[in-house]
Amino acid sequence: EDQVTQSPEALRLQEGESSSLNCSYTVSGLRGLFWYRQDPGKGPEFLFTLYSAGEEKEKERLKATLTKKESFLHITAPKPEDSATYLCAVREVRAGGTSYGKLTFGQGTILTVHP
Amino acid sequence: GAGVSQTPSNKVTEKGKYVELRCDPISGHTALYWYRQSLGQGPEFLIYFQGTGAADDSGLPNDRFFAVRPEGSVSTLKIQRTERGDSAVYLCASSPTGYSSGNTIYFGEGSWLTVV
Repeated sequence: EDQVTQSPEALRLQEGESSSLNCSYTVSGLRGLFWYRQDPGKGPEFLFTLYSAGEEKEKERLKATLTKKESFLHITAPKPEDSATYLCAVREVRAGGTSYGKLTFGQGTILTVHP
Repeated sequence: GAGVSQTPSNKVTEKGKYVELRCDPISGHTALYWYRQSLGQGPEFLIYFQGTGAADDSGLPNDRFFAVRPEGSVSTLKIQRTERGDSAVYLCASSPTGYSSGNTIYFGEGSWLTVV
């Protein structure tokens, strides 16, 4: 069974203080690792998809990286508007090589950036 | 519409009542998903439709929960004999297809269900 664990549960940063969020996963075969941002009272907003170890993707102050066991979301010089819950999720390969439709999510990391 | 649309946005119901939650996916998306999210937790998978058929309903917690997508577009999640433990945000999502690992899943804003 898939397991996705995110750490830390909550992270408080000062504006401009760079840091990283971690997502550890256990799947029989990875068909994509997804990062989402979720603001209070809203649905998750897609950020990145990573498929293979060594892959990196960037968007503004965010960079996502992937290894065989974990993914990191690096936040460089964060601003207060980056405050949100960051969710990671995995899609698993199933027997026969197709992927399940579903994503399995971690519990999220609540990021607060103080001005 | 431009995004995934869910109605109602908020629903308060009494224990034991029946509830329907509606989802209108992004136009042209054949895959549709329902998730449930409790406070402080990540979304939990309920069911996935490819077209009109439920391709994976392994996340439905019990037979009080049922979902349909009769014409391959709009979907309705139905909850019978609601319990207080059903209180959560019910998220709907869609993607162009469900078969490709490259498909991004886009979420709606959710329907907040409170059972009192």
